[in-house]
Amino acid sequence: ETGVTQSPTHLIKTRGQQVTLRCSSQSGHNTVSWYQQALGQGPQFIFQYYREEENGRGNFPPRFSGLQFPNYSSELNVNALELDDSALYLCASSLVGGHSGANVLTFGAGSRLTVL
Amino acid sequence: DQQVKQNSPSLSVQEGRISILNCDYTNSMFDYFLWYKKYPAEGPTFLISISSIKDKNEDGRFTVFLNKSAKHLSLHIVPSQPGDSAVYFCAASAERRDDKIIFGKGTRLHILP
Repeated sequence: ETGVTQSPTHLIKTRGQQVTLRCSSQSGHNTVSWYQQALGQGPQFIFQYYREEENGRGNFPPRFSGLQFPNYSSELNVNALELDDSALYLCASSLVGGHSGANVLTFGAGSRLTVL
Repeated sequence: DQQVKQNSPSLSVQEGRISILNCDYTNSMFDYFLWYKKYPAEGPTFLISISSIKDKNEDGRFTVFLNKSAKHLSLHIVPSQPGDSAVYFCAASAERRDDKIIFGKGTRLHILP
């Protein structure tokens, strides 16, 4: 059983640029959630994708967008980068409709974005 | 507005003793609570959860207690081991099957030899 993998692990961008982060879900999972973890903070929910559609969004502006592909992998895109976007971006997958009931999130190790 | 609060940024506990991590929440709609553990350079990993219909859930050395009237939960680790040193996040959601999970800021636990 493969876990959640994210790429790239680290990247540096400048203000105003655009970035795409990628995530491969754990085998057997059908839902992907993205979280932003700023330094000293807990993960903050950005949005979730289920069946290739956005299924809930946190308090993030529209310049944060995403995609989920038929193989359940996902991308997070951030346009017009700002200094405050510097953070660890975590992808988590889960199985909606599984027999376990509770949808426990399985996280990747994250992509650390630095905006200069 | 922090809906899930972990007021202790860090905690140091002697190896073998009990570690107690606390968490408060403000949203009365939350009915499912989780604890995640995070090591450096790794993503958070699920530790233990509790539904609002229970007041205690136990898994080996880990026990979570829920006090709904006080909107408070705690994680007990007994006995504490060196490998328990990590950041612990308390998290909550409004529906048991809902992945829109809200996290606290975390508590860094140091287990002292």
